[in-house]
Amino acid sequence: DAMVIQNPRYQVTQFGKPVTLSCSQTLNHNVMYWYQQKSSQAPKLLFHYYDKDFNNEADTPDNFQSRRPNTSFCFLDIRSPGLGDAAMYLCATSRDFGPGGTDTQYFGPGTRLTVL
Amino acid sequence: AQKITQTQPGMFVQEKEAVTLDCTYDTSDPSYGLFWYKQPSSGEMIFLIYQGSYDQQNATEGRYSLNFQKARKSANLVISASQLGDSAMYFCAMRAYNNNDMRFGAGTRLTVKP
Repeated sequence: DAMVIQNPRYQVTQFGKPVTLSCSQTLNHNVMYWYQQKSSQAPKLLFHYYDKDFNNEADTPDNFQSRRPNTSFCFLDIRSPGLGDAAMYLCATSRDFGPGGTDTQYFGPGTRLTVL
Repeated sequence: AQKITQTQPGMFVQEKEAVTLDCTYDTSDPSYGLFWYKQPSSGEMIFLIYQGSYDQQNATEGRYSLNFQKARKSANLVISASQLGDSAMYFCAMRAYNNNDMRFGAGTRLTVKP
């Protein structure tokens, strides 16, 4: 009963070669998020979609883009990966933001990106 | 600004004993939610428990309970009867009203010893 699915689980790319990570959900949630988590660090929010409305965090590099073609799918595009972009990328969903931002976020298993 | 602090980088507990993982937070918003997540070595973030700022009672979910002390701005996670499978990284997180960002603490690595 997978709810938030990420593909692939492991991705290897070359320096500067564009890469796309995929996330899908079966929860019919309105909000989808992308987080970057580097080794031994807390997850850091890159951006989120509320339905089709895209919200970028102020410090997210331009190198990172996202697409949400429908409710179920969301993609993370890294246009020119650098060595510093090697990390775990986590997708999450929430039904809404909830009163006081209280709706729980449910995470996928993550995609571990290696940049050679 | 929101801030989450987990002061214990690592914790050890004997199997079947209880353990408390500390979390303090700072926010000026009166309405907020507090969350705990478990992250095993596989990487998935697993939701454990949630506490709302206006909830009168401490949240409990099976072996997990949240010791919420609003005046002290702390939201400690208590795991009772620890199991070997509880060994993982544990993150405290907070999300406040009018803020779309879920802020995470630095995490605590829990190791359960047999």
